[in-house]
Amino acid sequence: EVQLVESGGGLVKPGGSLRLSCAASGFTFSSYNMNWVRQAPGKGLEWVSSIRNSGSYIYYADSVKGRFTISRDNAKNSLYLQMNSLRADDTAVYYCARANPIDYWGQGTLVTVSS
Amino acid sequence: DIQMTQSPSSLSASVGDRVTITCRASQGISNYLAWFQQKPGKAPKSLIYAASSLRSGVPSKFNGSGSGTDFTLTISSLQPEDFATYYCQQYNSYPRSFGQGTKLEI
Repeated sequence: EVQLVESGGGLVKPGGSLRLSCAASGFTFSSYNMNWVRQAPGKGLEWVSSIRNSGSYIYYADSVKGRFTISRDNAKNSLYLQMNSLRADDTAVYYCARANPIDYWGQGTLVTVSS
Repeated sequence: DIQMTQSPSSLSASVGDRVTITCRASQGISNYLAWFQQKPGKAPKSLIYAASSLRSGVPSKFNGSGSGTDFTLTISSLQPEDFATYYCQQYNSYPRSFGQGTKLEI
């Protein structure tokens, strides 16, 4: 069974940093592209970033470019999102999602940016 | 960048009805379109990819069609569990983009 479990969310002050993790199981992690998608409270889905299975190609939304860094460790079956210079409008539930097109989603982790 | 526009933003229907949601891309995306269902407080669920291919386990009451810039999601014989918010997403190019969502209400 495919499982994606996000962790690392929490409350952080504006300008702060946070690192999200996504632990994958039930499939060959190194064979799949992975994504981060977020959803601000009461809003729609917003694509954040994607990384190819080998990590060789990486893409970002303009809203996070230069502040967020996606990475993966295929040996640990894990996906990461390092978030720096956080702003109030980064407040959202962050989902880890598998493949392109997306087929499985994690349950999400809430990031709240507030003073 | 490709903009995705869904209509309507919200839709009221009754159990047993058939409804259609439209998704329009600002430029051609061939059939690189996916549909997702999201219930309150839950993660999205993947329904359809390649515009019309059903994900495993998704009932055939969900039907996707379209190509190029215009796409539709039709849900027949609505049941209580179908009332949710539906999103389209293009995966033709980066940056990926979602429609704003269509809330299907009883």
